[in-house]
Amino acid sequence: AQTVTQSQPEMSVQEAETVTLSCTYDTSESDYYLFWYKQPPSRQMILVIRQEAYKQQNATENRFSVNFQKAAKSFSLKISDSQLGDAAMYFCAYRSARTGNQFYFGTGTSLTVIP
Amino acid sequence: DTGVSQDPRHKITKRGQNVTFRCDPISEHNRLYWYRQTLGQGPEFLTYFQNEAQLEKSRLLSDRFSAERPKGSFSTLEIQRTEQGDSAMYLCASSQGWNYGYTFGSGTRLTVV
Repeated sequence: AQTVTQSQPEMSVQEAETVTLSCTYDTSESDYYLFWYKQPPSRQMILVIRQEAYKQQNATENRFSVNFQKAAKSFSLKISDSQLGDAAMYFCAYRSARTGNQFYFGTGTSLTVIP
Repeated sequence: DTGVSQDPRHKITKRGQNVTFRCDPISEHNRLYWYRQTLGQGPEFLTYFQNEAQLEKSRLLSDRFSAERPKGSFSTLEIQRTEQGDSAMYLCASSQGWNYGYTFGSGTRLTVV
């Protein structure tokens, strides 16, 4: 079974600074998708960014970008110009391209943004 | 499009009681998923529907759990004879096809006392 590991239970960042959240995963598949989801106190999981494993180019969405290292099975999220509204739990998730029926989530990183 | 709706938002029940949760997906989404999230953990997959057919169930879904999606619209998740270990957030998500991202609801938080 696929496993997703987030080794940073908590992180903090000064407003307007940059922070990187780490994620590693284990899989024997070559084709898959990786995601970062944000879960604010309102509890709704919100998709932040998505990466297809076959793409070498790292995904970017405004202030959010990823560093995808396929050989190392690493998928980190960089948040630039951090804002107070970025404070939330962040979950890294894996989904197989072959079956695609379920996500495998990490345990999450709680991000605090300091004004 | 009002997103994925879940009801109730909170449920407190006594051990041994039955509870039922409802999920209303985005109307054009044919796939619906249930996940369970316990404190300090990421969501764990429970089951998945394509239209009205339940196509996959996790081994986490014991025989006390049953899910339905009549007519491929809303879905219900029932837990019979609740146990304290069932206390968790139950998340519903929907998608249009498998190659699209999920849209999650805000979840139902269950507390078994």
